[in-house]
Amino acid sequence: AQKVTQAQTEISVVEKEDVTLDCVYETRDTTYYLFWYKQPPSGELVFLIRRNSFDEQNEISGRYSWNFQKSTSSFNFTITASQVVDSAVYFCALSDLSAGNNRKLIWGLGTSLAVNP
Amino acid sequence: GAGVSQSPSNKVTEKGKDVELRCDPISGHTALYWYRQSLGQGLEFLIYFQGNSAPDKSGLPSDRFSAERTGGSVSTLTIQRTQQEDSAVYLCASSLLYPGFEGDEQYFGPGTRLTVT
Repeated sequence: AQKVTQAQTEISVVEKEDVTLDCVYETRDTTYYLFWYKQPPSGELVFLIRRNSFDEQNEISGRYSWNFQKSTSSFNFTITASQVVDSAVYFCALSDLSAGNNRKLIWGLGTSLAVNP
Repeated sequence: GAGVSQSPSNKVTEKGKDVELRCDPISGHTALYWYRQSLGQGLEFLIYFQGNSAPDKSGLPSDRFSAERTGGSVSTLTIQRTQQEDSAVYLCASSLLYPGFEGDEQYFGPGTRLTVT
């Protein structure tokens, strides 16, 4: 069965610190996608990134970077030089493409990040 | 363009009453999802619609919950005989899902906060 584990429930850092949010997934499928979403205090979930299971290249977008390692079934998210505006709950999710049209994301429980000034 | 919209944004109802929550997905998106998020919790999948296929209702917690999607667009989630444990934020998401498209991120609405007194 598919599963997504975000072991860190809450993280608190001081502004400008780097922080890594962990995501470990379980799937028996060879074809899948991994996602990260951000949920700021306003409540609306915002898509951050999608990664194909065949593409293990790390990705960098500004202060955000993602490290996908199939060998350890991890898709970790790093925020460099964190800012107060990064404070949010971050969710990792897994999509099972082998299920055909009947797709739904498997969600982790989220990591609440607090960036303090 | 317009994002996913949900109405009402807040709903307070008495225990035992029925409620209807509405979701307007992004135009052209074929897939529509309903989730429930209790305070401080992750996302709980409720139901998934994809085009004209039979919906995946596997996440509906009881037969008091039902949803329909008319004309492949607007969806209504109905909760009958509401209970206090139904209090949560109900989130709707849509995605563009068609053959050949590699993966599909979900775009979320702002949610409806339901409070059952």
